Amino acid sequence: LAKTTQPISMDSYEGQEVNITCSHNNIATNDYITWYQQFPSQGPRFIIQGYKTKVTNEVASLFIPADRKSSTLSLPRVSLSDTAVYYCLLDNNAGNMLTFGGGTRLMVKP
Amino acid sequence: EAQVTQNPRYLITVTGKKLTVTCSQNMNHEYMSWYRQDPGLGLRQIYYSMNVEVTDKGDVPEGYKVSRKEKRNFPLILESPSPNQTSLYFCASSLLGQPSSYEQYFGPGTRLTVT
Repeated sequence: LAKTTQPISMDSYEGQEVNITCSHNNIATNDYITWYQQFPSQGPRFIIQGYKTKVTNEVASLFIPADRKSSTLSLPRVSLSDTAVYYCLLDNNAGNMLTFGGGTRLMVKP
Repeated sequence: EAQVTQNPRYLITVTGKKLTVTCSQNMNHEYMSWYRQDPGLGLRQIYYSMNVEVTDKGDVPEGYKVSRKEKRNFPLILESPSPNQTSLYFCASSLLGQPSSYEQYFGPGTRLTVT
C-alpha cells in the first residue's frame, strides 16, 4: 500500500494561513489524495479530495504538483476551532484497504 | 438527516464475553468500514464491505468478525474480547465508484474497554 508522511504537529495563530504538506512518493495512478479533519472523540470528517493541480472548496484548498508525489492542504485564515488532527490518505475510490496514518496535530493559538 | 449511528457509544466488558457493536447508515451507501483508533497509531482499518454479503479484511482483522446482511447495517463482532482490543472504534460509510466526489461519513465512535 502506498504510504503517506506528514509532520506530527504544527502551531499557528488565528487569522494566519496554514499549509500542511503530505509526502506520498509511491502514489499509484488510480489514487486520489484525500484529507480528513478530526476533533477529539469525534469521527473524522472529509475536507477535500483531489487528483492533480489545484482543488478548492469552501473550507480549504489542495495543491498537487505534476508528479503527484506530495500535496499541500491550505487552510485560509484559521481560527481556534480549526485546532484538530488532519489526515492525508490515498484512496483509489475502489473500496480497498485504507490507511490513515498518524496525521498532523494542528494547534491554533489566539 | 444523513448519518452513521453506532451503538453502544461506551462499553466496559470483561475478557472473553462476546459483544457486538452495531453500525447503521441511512444514505444507501454501498461501502462500509470499521476502524480502531489508538493513541499514536492513527486510524487502522479492521474490516470493510463493498456491498451486501461482500466483506474483506483491513489492516488489523484479528479477533474481529463482521457481517453485511443488509445494506444499511454492518455490525462488528468480538467473539472473545481481550484487553488489547480496548480502543475507540469508528464505523464509516460511503458511495463507491465516484471519482473525485468520494468521502467517507464516520459515526460518533464507540469507546470499548476490556478488563
